[in-house]
Amino acid sequence: NAGVTQTPKFQVLKTGQSMTLQCAQDMNHEYMSWYRQDPGMGLRLIHYSVGAGITDQGEVPNGYNVSRSTTEDFPLRLLSAAPSQTSVYFCASNLAGSKETQYFGPGTRLLVL
Amino acid sequence: RKEVEQDPGPFNVPEGATVAFNCTYSNSASQSFFWYRQDCRKEPKLLMSVYSSGNEDGRFTAQLNRASQYISLLIRDSKLSDSATYLCVVNIYTDKLIFGTGTRLQVFP
Repeated sequence: NAGVTQTPKFQVLKTGQSMTLQCAQDMNHEYMSWYRQDPGMGLRLIHYSVGAGITDQGEVPNGYNVSRSTTEDFPLRLLSAAPSQTSVYFCASNLAGSKETQYFGPGTRLLVL
Repeated sequence: RKEVEQDPGPFNVPEGATVAFNCTYSNSASQSFFWYRQDCRKEPKLLMSVYSSGNEDGRFTAQLNRASQYISLLIRDSKLSDSATYLCVVNIYTDKLIFGTGTRLQVFP
């Protein structure tokens, strides 16, 4: 099993550009989440999904969209990138009822100029 | 006030030392508690859950004090490989985890 994979590893964007961060898991986990991690802020939940076709907002959803068309994939879209979205983004997945054992992907480092 | 607060450190300790971290949480309705470990520029990984009666996993001991709303992590006989950031994590709502900002530990020879 590959676990949770994320692409790209690094990305530089200009303000106003859009892009999609990819996340996939091969563990058949129902739950998937996107977090951002900033210095001094800890991990903050952006969006999450409890199953295919179901998504919900987390703590900091503005400027991001998600969809969950399959169990495996949970892409995060930045609609119009802003410097405030410079961060490290982590995707995570877990089985329903096993929230503490979240498996994280390796992260995407995003710089918005 | 942050929902989960930790001393950012760094805690610099020699190999073999015992070190302890505390973490406080603000919501008395918090249900579950965990410690995650994050190595530099890597993803977080679950270290251990924290149970009301306290629990141990090798050199690591976790304690929960619901009355004072804090959890602790004790590391005995520190190894160089223990150098990392330790994240305190609290579950308040069913599907969501709240992460602290982390405490950095540096173990030196």
